[in-house]
Amino acid sequence: DIVMTQTPLSSPVTLGQPASISCRSSQSLVHSDGNTYLSWLQQRPGQPPRLLISKTSDRFSGVPDRFSGSGAGTDFTLKISRVEAEDVGVYYCMQATQFPLTFGGGTKVEIK
Amino acid sequence: QVQLVESGGGVVQPGRSLRLSCAASGFTFSRYGVHWVRQAPGKGLEWVAVISYDGSNKYYADSVKGRFTISRDNSKNTVYLQMNSLRAEDTAVYYCARVLKAAAGTIDYWGQGTLVTVSS
Repeated sequence: DIVMTQTPLSSPVTLGQPASISCRSSQSLVHSDGNTYLSWLQQRPGQPPRLLISKTSDRFSGVPDRFSGSGAGTDFTLKISRVEAEDVGVYYCMQATQFPLTFGGGTKVEIK
Repeated sequence: QVQLVESGGGVVQPGRSLRLSCAASGFTFSRYGVHWVRQAPGKGLEWVAVISYDGSNKYYADSVKGRFTISRDNSKNTVYLQMNSLRAEDTAVYYCARVLKAAAGTIDYWGQGTLVTVSS
């Protein structure tokens, strides 16, 4: 199974400041079709997860452009350019390149 | 809009069975694969199973293989998760989630979840 490791575990951020979350996979996430199926999810308190980014950097419908994804191979990053109060929650990376699908342990974003 | 509504959760004794349902609406259900993903209280996300759009392909996590069965009825726009021989460690919120088109197993939409508690 592919192991997904996220850092940091927690990220206290000042409103309006940037935040960055890293995700590393135990093996390359490049699929045989040439795509890299790394997603980022947001889970607000008491809510189900929500897709933010698919295929490393494709922002999903309705997701604000302050969220961006980057990376390749085994190293990936989610950036929030200016954190807003509604961004509080836990963020997960997820790989869908091979079964079983696996998730990072989560990064809690909170306001300082 | 895309909606996924889970039902069937509850409290069940270890060793017993439970069947979860996921009713879909707002899209052409028969064209999409569906996952089940669970989240133990206060913990992270764990993938459970997936079924292809026509039910011909199914994959399971090792932790549930041989105990859980995923199925679907496209005439009812519903996916099921039959859970047998339940264990305490199966206690979790179970989410059904839709497979994003042309993105391998990537998940786009999630339901609100249904809580399964395995306890004597």
